[in-house]
Amino acid sequence: QQQVKQSPQSLIVQKGGISIINCAYENTAFDYFPWYQQFPGKGPALLIAIRPDVSEKKEGRFTISFNKSAKQFSLHIMDSQPGDSATYFCAASYNNDMRFGAGTRLTVKP
Amino acid sequence: DAGVTQSPTHLIKTRGQQVTLRCSPKSGHDTVSWYQQALGQGPQFIFQYYEEEERQRGNFPDRFSGHQFPNYSSELNVNALLLGDSALYLCASSLVQATYGYTFGSGTRLTVV
Repeated sequence: QQQVKQSPQSLIVQKGGISIINCAYENTAFDYFPWYQQFPGKGPALLIAIRPDVSEKKEGRFTISFNKSAKQFSLHIMDSQPGDSATYFCAASYNNDMRFGAGTRLTVKP
Repeated sequence: DAGVTQSPTHLIKTRGQQVTLRCSPKSGHDTVSWYQQALGQGPQFIFQYYEEEERQRGNFPDRFSGHQFPNYSSELNVNALLLGDSALYLCASSLVQATYGYTFGSGTRLTVV
């Protein structure tokens, strides 16, 4: 059962552009929503996370927007750089049980 | 401060064999979760261990089993390997009472031939 649905599967943006990745969840018990970044051959690394009591969280060039009523959240990468090229996973967690989306492969072209 | 350590990094096994993967959690963490990540897919939850007990389990057959030791390290065992078990196996550690993000290891790449 796909508890977290992520789109798009792949994304190509130009350097300096904005990358937007979307996720939707079903279980309203989820209370923690992280985004992970994964480079080839490496494990996922925590990028940024949000709890459902806030609608937005910004850390540097990375922003999470959260819509509790729609059960959706998104990652915005401002001023995208070639070094941001990686696979991004959204996730949702409840009671220390974390479930992941299928991932978005981001390519930032110079 | 060491992060999550997994061994081995790569492994090739024959169909029908058994395999054991190992994980040492980040210092201070008490919970270990195992995930299977097929090529081009997101991590799929296998199970989670806390206090040497299986705390939660995903939709994986009984061929997948695990263990947690008193020092919080963990093993993942897979019996009767199938070609479809070929994947990156990720270990993540956390604190059971904390809902902030997991720390992942770099994974074990298992190839079943």
